[in-house]
Amino acid sequence: SAVISQKPSRDICQRGTSLTIQCQVDSQVTMMFWYRQQPGQSLTLIATANQGSEATYESGFVIDKFPISRPNLTFSTLTVSNMSPEDSSIYLCSAEATSGRGYQETQYFGPGTRLLVL
Amino acid sequence: GENVEQHPSTLSVQEGDSAVIKCTYSDSASNYFPWYKQELGKRPQLIIDIRSNVGEKKDQRIAVTLNKTAKHFSLHITETQPEDSAVYFCAASFSGGYNKLIFGAGTRLAVHP
Repeated sequence: SAVISQKPSRDICQRGTSLTIQCQVDSQVTMMFWYRQQPGQSLTLIATANQGSEATYESGFVIDKFPISRPNLTFSTLTVSNMSPEDSSIYLCSAEATSGRGYQETQYFGPGTRLLVL
Repeated sequence: GENVEQHPSTLSVQEGDSAVIKCTYSDSASNYFPWYKQELGKRPQLIIDIRSNVGEKKDQRIAVTLNKTAKHFSLHITETQPEDSAVYFCAASFSGGYNKLIFGAGTRLAVHP
C-alpha cells in the first residue's frame, strides 16, 4: 500500500490568485493522478502525472489552468491558476502502487485539499 | 467514450439487511474494477477489487461479481451495519493507457439501526 499526504488540507483564496497543492507519497510510485470532487459528486480525473514526462490532461482541463509538476517518484504538485469561485472544490491526488507485476494496481488517495475561492 | 453508470444513487436499508450496488461500463477492454468507500469528509478507501479473469471475489461481508459479457459488476454487502453508511464508488480501468480509472457517480448508502 501507499500512504499519501497532501498540503494544504484546506484554503480560502481570492479570485485571480493561484494555489499550489502538494502531494507526497511514502514510497516510489510510477503513476500519480489528480482529481477534482465537487461536494456530493463523483471523482473527476484532471490529469495523470508520470515522472519524467509531461502530464496528460483529460478533456476539459488544460495545462495553463492546472499546471502539474512531477519532479521525482514520490512527489507531485498541482497548481490551480487564476482562480474563480467555480474552482471551489476538493482536490485529491492519488498514486498507483508499483509492484512490477505488469498490471494495474490499486490507486490510493490522499486526504484531499478543500479549496474555497471567494 | 468511456463511461461507468452506477445504480442506485441512494440506498437505504435496515441493519442486518443486504445491500447491492450495480455498475455497467462501456469499454469492453476494461480489466480492473475497484470499489471505494468514502465517508463524509474522508478520502476514498479501497474496499475490494476484481480483475477480468475472475467472476467473483469475496472478503468477509463484502463481495463483488463481474459479468464481462454484459459489462456489469456489482457490490454485495451482507449483514449491513451502521458503520457501512457511506458513499460507495465503482470504477473501471480505461484501456486507452495511463492506467486511469473511470468512476461511477456514487451510491449513498444509509444503514438504519
